[in-house]
Amino acid sequence: DAGVIQSPRHEVTEMGQEVTLRCKPISGHDYLFWYRQTMMRGLELLIYFNNNVPIDDSGMPEDRFSAKMPNASFSTLKIQPSEPRDSAVYFCASSSQNTQETQYFGPGTRLLVL
Amino acid sequence: RKEVEQDPGPFNVPEGATVAFNCTYSNSASQSFFWYRQDCRKEPKLLMSVYSSGNEDGRFTAQLNRASQYISLLIRDSKLSDSATYLCVVNGPAGNMLTFGGGTRLMVKP
Repeated sequence: DAGVIQSPRHEVTEMGQEVTLRCKPISGHDYLFWYRQTMMRGLELLIYFNNNVPIDDSGMPEDRFSAKMPNASFSTLKIQPSEPRDSAVYFCASSSQNTQETQYFGPGTRLLVL
Repeated sequence: RKEVEQDPGPFNVPEGATVAFNCTYSNSASQSFFWYRQDCRKEPKLLMSVYSSGNEDGRFTAQLNRASQYISLLIRDSKLSDSATYLCVVNGPAGNMLTFGGGTRLMVKP
């Protein structure tokens, strides 16, 4: 059974460029979460979806960040334009009402903005 | 004040030692508690849930003190493979959201 899938695994880009991160949750899971992890701030929740609908985006740092979930098996996190301070590991996680809030994380995307 | 606070460590212990981590949380309405483990350059993975009555899974014991808003994790007979960062996690502030502590780093030495 495949876990959460994220792509790309690594991304190096230049300041000002658009970055798109992708996530495929575990089949049957109805919650999807986007996190960002840095040494300074730890693991921070950016946004989460329930049944493809954004529920809480209060963690999205600013308008440069946007997330979509067009269907139950795909979500994107977009940064436009990217800045060096966006460099971090971005994790996607999914969970099901039946798993009592246990979240399963993808392997993450390591983003470096030069 | 952070919502979930942990000592970042590192805790350096020899193989076979017993080590304990603590964490405090600020949201008294939290109902679910977990310990996640994160290996270097990997994703966090659920280690164990924490129940009010306390629970044990092999060498790992987790306890919850709701009155003091305090969670603990005890690892007995430490193995080299236990070296990782341990994240204290509580549910909230709403729905299926989880709030993660900053993690406690454990290094088990031969």
